[in-house]
Amino acid sequence: KNQVEQSPQSLIILEGKNCTLQCNYTVSPFSNLRWYKQDTGRGPVSLTIMTFSENTKSNGRYTATLDADTKQSSLHITASQLSDSASYICVVSGGVTGTASKLTFGTGTRLQVTL
Amino acid sequence: DSGVTQTPKHLITATGQRVTLRCSPRSGDLSVYWYQQSLDQGLQFLIQYYNGEERAKGNILERFSAQQFPDLHSELNLSSLELGDSALYFCASSVDAGANQPQHFGDGTRLSIL
Repeated sequence: KNQVEQSPQSLIILEGKNCTLQCNYTVSPFSNLRWYKQDTGRGPVSLTIMTFSENTKSNGRYTATLDADTKQSSLHITASQLSDSASYICVVSGGVTGTASKLTFGTGTRLQVTL
Repeated sequence: DSGVTQTPKHLITATGQRVTLRCSPRSGDLSVYWYQQSLDQGLQFLIQYYNGEERAKGNILERFSAQQFPDLHSELNLSSLELGDSALYFCASSVDAGANQPQHFGDGTRLSIL
């Protein structure tokens, strides 16, 4: 069964600190892995998309890594800001590139950045 | 602003009723996706359309149906509503149906069943 597990479930950090969120998946075949940021009451916003051949991708202070061998991904947030407080969702797409995809969602990590 | 518009923002109705949720994709996007997000299950993919045709189906109940019109807007129809259908329903769009395309989400319709 395809599964995406995220850890931790929730995290509280001080403003300015770094943090790393984890995502482990058992999805086959693998097409891509996405990280989304979702503010409360808003739709998810795409942070990164990585395919099998990519092992690092950055978007500003967000850096995602992918190890396709161990089926693990991480999202590293540098110099956190209060606006980073949100849920971060890992989504794995399984399917053949160029056709309709099947998506498996993690349940997210709730991050709270405090003063 | 993602450019994806969903209406209505909130909907309150009773069990057994039928509702229609509407989505206008970003200008130029041909593919539309529908998702359900409930408190206990997280985001679930329901269905995808590309240029008017159904492309992929996820965990969509038989009581639910969707379509994409020639002007590319999409509607999600939910019928015989049950208490468990209370959730946030999101629409997303992408340029094409490719598996590696970024998806742009609307802010959702919050459906409450009384």
